[in-house]
Amino acid sequence: GAVVSQHPSRVICKSGTSVKIECRSLDFQATTMFWYRQFPKQSLMLMATSNEGSKATYEQGVEKDKFLINHASLTLSTLTVTSAHPEDSSFYICSATGVGNQPQHFGDGTRLSIL
Amino acid sequence: AQKITQTQPGMFVQEKEAVTLDCTYDTSDPSYGLFWYKQPSSGEMIFLIYQGSYDQQNATEGRYSLNFQKARKSANLVISASQLGDSAMYFCAMREGNTGKLIFGQGTTLQVKP
Repeated sequence: GAVVSQHPSRVICKSGTSVKIECRSLDFQATTMFWYRQFPKQSLMLMATSNEGSKATYEQGVEKDKFLINHASLTLSTLTVTSAHPEDSSFYICSATGVGNQPQHFGDGTRLSIL
Repeated sequence: AQKITQTQPGMFVQEKEAVTLDCTYDTSDPSYGLFWYKQPSSGEMIFLIYQGSYDQQNATEGRYSLNFQKARKSANLVISASQLGDSAMYFCAMREGNTGKLIFGQGTTLQVKP
């Protein structure tokens, strides 16, 4: 069964709307969560690294005010796309990992479409 | 800087045949981890296999095996007895030692022909 749950799986909304995506680790404590963005037929691009209880670390070129990340507990991280525009339409996917050499477990992703 | 390269944008294989997906990497860290993930058209990322840089033996998981050649810095995925359900995009990734970040290759789209 899935060890990481991501919700919602699909969002269609109007330009200017803010959209929140949740990522939950179901049966382990996720000390670190990662948020990726993926365009069609391309690789995953890391947006930010989120550690529980601290501010997220954003990759170069990712607007932290645009993509708000909160990691308030060891099982939940959220990504909020603020005032979304059509260019923010993409596939967003989170992953979570615990301590040690555990692999990253991914959520099923969120397809975001901004009209 | 760390880098992962997958040079095969697309591959075809006949059902029940074996196929090798190439992956090369570059890093100066002595300790690193290499992963393969499968992404079907539905989008989820499915973990397939892991190889640690200090592992002496090649990793195997069912029909998946990793041909780890450290001197050549390659970590090719071998899928034996291909099935139609293996049709998907496959990503090779390397984990940064300090941060735990995964660096992904460009991906290879595999199509299994009946």
